[in-house]
Amino acid sequence: EPEVTQTPSHQVTQMGQEVILRCVPISNHLYFYWYRQILGQKVEFLVSFYNNEISEKSEIFDDQFSVERPDGSNFTLKIRSTKLEDSAMYFCASTRTSGGYNEQFFGPGTRLTVL
Amino acid sequence: KQEVTQIPAALSVPEGENLVLNCSFTDSAIYNLQWFRQDPGKGLTSLLLIQSSQREQTSGRLNASLDKSSGRSTLYIAASQPGDSATYLCAVVNNAGNMLTFGGGTRLMVKP
Repeated sequence: EPEVTQTPSHQVTQMGQEVILRCVPISNHLYFYWYRQILGQKVEFLVSFYNNEISEKSEIFDDQFSVERPDGSNFTLKIRSTKLEDSAMYFCASTRTSGGYNEQFFGPGTRLTVL
Repeated sequence: KQEVTQIPAALSVPEGENLVLNCSFTDSAIYNLQWFRQDPGKGLTSLLLIQSSQREQTSGRLNASLDKSSGRSTLYIAASQPGDSATYLCAVVNNAGNMLTFGGGTRLMVKP
């Protein structure tokens, strides 16, 4: 069964460093998402992406964050200058069409630790 | 702004018991509601999706209901097993967008 994959599973970085989190959505899906979950807190929406552009973003997704679909399979989240409070589990998700009418399928997550 | 709440936050039951997890949301203008399972330190596994026009969905021992007008959903788990131990999350997609808004989850422990 097709699934969303994410790499790396765990990333440790120093404060102020740039990180890129990678995702491979399900191949025939068109909508892509990033969410994050700080330890002990709710899963929070960051950004959605469709047709090579951002369709929605939350207040969390400020200028330090960017997303890209560099080729036909990968979807990346870049954090330019990491802060301690960026430490969280980051989940990528995808759905075949508009999220309102289809299930969102999630990857296993990347645990980001900022020291 | 949509707020999703799940009660109880934690639940411990003996194996074999039937149980109900509750989810409520403040804005009834939703496209759908999705229930997920999350094992410790792991990703989210989709369990059931209920469209706003539907009243319930079933998958195996799981049954989810939706009362959109009152802003409530329940997840019923029949004949619980130790392997059902996990955190169960509900999330909604609002009419205004396509992102999920999550509740805080119910942490379920099924004791053998």
